[in-house]
Amino acid sequence: DAGVIQSPRHEVTEMGQEVTLRCKPISGHDYLFWYRQTMMRGLELLIYFNNNVPIDDSGMPEDRFSAKMPNASFSTLKIQPSEPRDSAVYFCASSPDRGGGELFFGEGSRLTVL
Amino acid sequence: QKEVEQNSGPLSVPEGAIASLNCTYSDRGSQSFFWYRQYSGKSPELIMFIYSNGDKEDGRFTAQLNKASQYVSLLIRDSQPSDSATYLCAVNRYNFNKFYFGSGTKLNVKP
Repeated sequence: DAGVIQSPRHEVTEMGQEVTLRCKPISGHDYLFWYRQTMMRGLELLIYFNNNVPIDDSGMPEDRFSAKMPNASFSTLKIQPSEPRDSAVYFCASSPDRGGGELFFGEGSRLTVL
Repeated sequence: QKEVEQNSGPLSVPEGAIASLNCTYSDRGSQSFFWYRQYSGKSPELIMFIYSNGDKEDGRFTAQLNKASQYVSLLIRDSQPSDSATYLCAVNRYNFNKFYFGSGTKLNVKP
């Protein structure tokens, strides 16, 4: 299996622009997670899906952030409008089961908002 | 109070020594415990998981869990320079399946 695939790997944009991050989970995994990592706050859970349905979005920082999972093989995280404080590495991860199984991470999308 | 607490380090140990990494968690309902390793600029990768109280060994790594004290640790024996990385502790509760991560402990193994 190719693992969790994220794109783009790097994104540099200007404040106010829309940013869309993409994720393809491992086939057969029922859970998909979006995390944000910064030096100050570490790995923060933003939102997670089970069978394409958002289960918990309490970590989404503001209404500027939205996430969708239209099918089992694709998810997006959108920031509109972006701000410099959104600069971080955004990780997508998937997990195969409910019973506290392992998280498999993508390589991350490094976002820089100028 | 954070869900998972770790000392940020850095923890420096000489090559060949034992490195001891510690983690505490706040939710007594937590049932699964994980240690991830993250090299600079890379994504986290699973090192070990543990579900039951006691020790679990895998090669040079030993995970220890004490649910009464809400404490998880990772021991790395015969530390190698290649072990230099940030180690993240994570916990999960089955019915919510939310993985909470600590901020990580940076380990430096000096040749």
